[in-house]
Amino acid sequence: EPEVTQTPSHQVTQMGQEVILRCVPISNHLYFYWYRQILGQKVEFLVSFYNNEISEKSEIFDDQFSVERPDGSNFTLKIRSTKLEDSAMYFCASSALTGPGANVLTFGAGSRLTVL
Amino acid sequence: DQQVKQNSPSLSVQEGRISILNCDYTNSMFDYFLWYKKYPAEGPTFLISISSIKDKNEDGRFTVFLNKSAKHLSLHIVPSQPGDSAVYFCAARLAGAQKLVFGQGTRLTINP
Repeated sequence: EPEVTQTPSHQVTQMGQEVILRCVPISNHLYFYWYRQILGQKVEFLVSFYNNEISEKSEIFDDQFSVERPDGSNFTLKIRSTKLEDSAMYFCASSALTGPGANVLTFGAGSRLTVL
Repeated sequence: DQQVKQNSPSLSVQEGRISILNCDYTNSMFDYFLWYKKYPAEGPTFLISISSIKDKNEDGRFTVFLNKSAKHLSLHIVPSQPGDSAVYFCAARLAGAQKLVFGQGTRLTINP
């Protein structure tokens, strides 16, 4: 079954450092997303991406965050200067443009970010 | 911003019995609802969904009910199995949008 893959599975970084989280969405999906889950809290939307541009972003997704699709397969989330409160599990997801799959987001296993 | 609420943080059910997980929402513009299941150290996995034009959708042991007038949906699992122990998230999508809004999750424990 097609899956969304994320790397790294766990990253530990010092406050103020830049972090890049990587995702390979399902190959025929055209919508891409980043969500995060702070420990014990709900899954929160960060950003959606379609046709090489951001289609929607939340108030969490400030100037410290950016997303990119550098090639035909990868989708990345960059945090320029990490803060303690950025520690969370970051989930990448993708969905199809049309058909029944358009309503369903498929999530990766997540990248745990720990900021010290 | 609590547009999707799951008021029960945890639920414990005996194996073989019915598990009922509840979800309430406030935005009448949601047109599609989904349930995701999440195991520790894994991403949410899609379980079952329902369009706002329906009031019930069934898939094997899983049934989702939607009561639009009450802005309430529920997930029924019957019979419950130990492998069903996980955190269950209710999610909703606004008409015309792509992103999902998630509830806080309910941790379901199935006791043998």
